[in-house]
Amino acid sequence: GENVEQHPSTLSVQEGDSAVIKCTYSDSASNYFPWYKQELGKGPQLIIDIRSNVGEKKDQRIAVTLNKTAKHFSLHITETQPEDSAVYFCAASIGNDMRFGAGTRLTVKP
Amino acid sequence: DAGVTQSPTHLIKTRGQQVTLRCSPKSGHDTVSWYQQALGQGPQFIFQYYEEEERQRGNFPDRFSGHQFPNYSSELNVNALLLGDSALYLCASSLGVRAGETQYFGPGTRLLVL
Repeated sequence: GENVEQHPSTLSVQEGDSAVIKCTYSDSASNYFPWYKQELGKGPQLIIDIRSNVGEKKDQRIAVTLNKTAKHFSLHITETQPEDSAVYFCAASIGNDMRFGAGTRLTVKP
Repeated sequence: DAGVTQSPTHLIKTRGQQVTLRCSPKSGHDTVSWYQQALGQGPQFIFQYYEEEERQRGNFPDRFSGHQFPNYSSELNVNALLLGDSALYLCASSLGVRAGETQYFGPGTRLLVL
């Protein structure tokens, strides 16, 4: 089955800096790659997603890139703000079975 | 527009008991997926319901079962609870069962098994 690895597990940045989180997946059949943000005591919230026919997608300060050949995808957050502090999860989907990475705890220091 | 709702928010059970968790999907959605999230880990797919049938299942034992009602709401049942079943149980809804449909999560039910 699909296996998703996510790095780093923790990331601390200064407010205004950029943050990058990377994920790799094992099954080349995966075709949908969402990113979720989870705040304490809440369910995951979709922040951006990308499909296998697209290499890059951007939404304001957030961007995601996908390299199908290398089977990895990354989340880029620019101009980070304290409210970006949360746990971020990547996921890869084959059919409707979505496999998640272990998460990255992002801390943005004011 | 109501998002995904789950009940109860918290639950405490003892080993061997049975539990039922409930989920109402986002307005307009007809598909419900259930996930288990252990502390410090990513969600793990349990199963998905569409048209009142289980369509896909992850690597979970038969102690985990579910149901979907005609109004698209869903229940997750866990029998013979084990200490290891303690986790946050998340419900996600989507529209249809095509691969790669965007899933929206509810706030979860935190289950503690003593």
